[in-house]
Amino acid sequence: EAGVAQSPRYKIIEKRQSVAFWCNPISGHATLYWYQQILGQGPKLLIQFQNNGVVDDSQLPKDRFSAERLKGVDSTLKIQPAKLEDSAVYLCASSRGLEFDGYTFGSGTRLTVV
Amino acid sequence: KQEVTQIPAALSVPEGENLVLNCSFTDSAIYNLQWFRQDPGKGLTSLLLIQSSQREQTSGRLNASLDKSSGRSTLYIAASQPGDSATYLCAVRAGSARQLTFGSGTQLTVLP
Repeated sequence: EAGVAQSPRYKIIEKRQSVAFWCNPISGHATLYWYQQILGQGPKLLIQFQNNGVVDDSQLPKDRFSAERLKGVDSTLKIQPAKLEDSAVYLCASSRGLEFDGYTFGSGTRLTVV
Repeated sequence: KQEVTQIPAALSVPEGENLVLNCSFTDSAIYNLQWFRQDPGKGLTSLLLIQSSQREQTSGRLNASLDKSSGRSTLYIAASQPGDSATYLCAVRAGSARQLTFGSGTQLTVLP
């Protein structure tokens, strides 16, 4: 089966600019997650979707971050305006949604804010 | 709130050694535990998935154990190779939203 697709692979922007990341999960996976991984740390959950609804966005900085999953398939994560501390790898993952399922991660987007 | 800790943070071993990576978690009410490998600048590759009802899983030279009652898991790597050099992350799936919570990882270097 095809894996989780993410784009772009790398992005460099200046602070206060906006940026968007795209994710296409594995076909049939109902649950989609966006994680932020700062260098030297483990990934931290930003938002979880079940189909096209938000399950948990409690750790999403909503003043600057937004995400959507229209039609319950692919998803977009946006940052506007970006700050220096947003420099990180943004990882998308999907699972079938059942509690015994594992997650499959994409290759991630490395964001550098200068 | 679930917290996951991995010890050591970094490990360097000569090629051929057997080694153990440790993971501990605070809340034993988990669905499963997953070990991942991450190469520099890359995404996460799933290595082993252990369900809460299981004690261990094996894949090639890798063996992962789970002791849910004590909140611990270990990843055993036999006959380590330089190609095993990477960061190894442990994550537990728990909670009503069934989310993965990660440790900070163990950075492994296998010296030729």
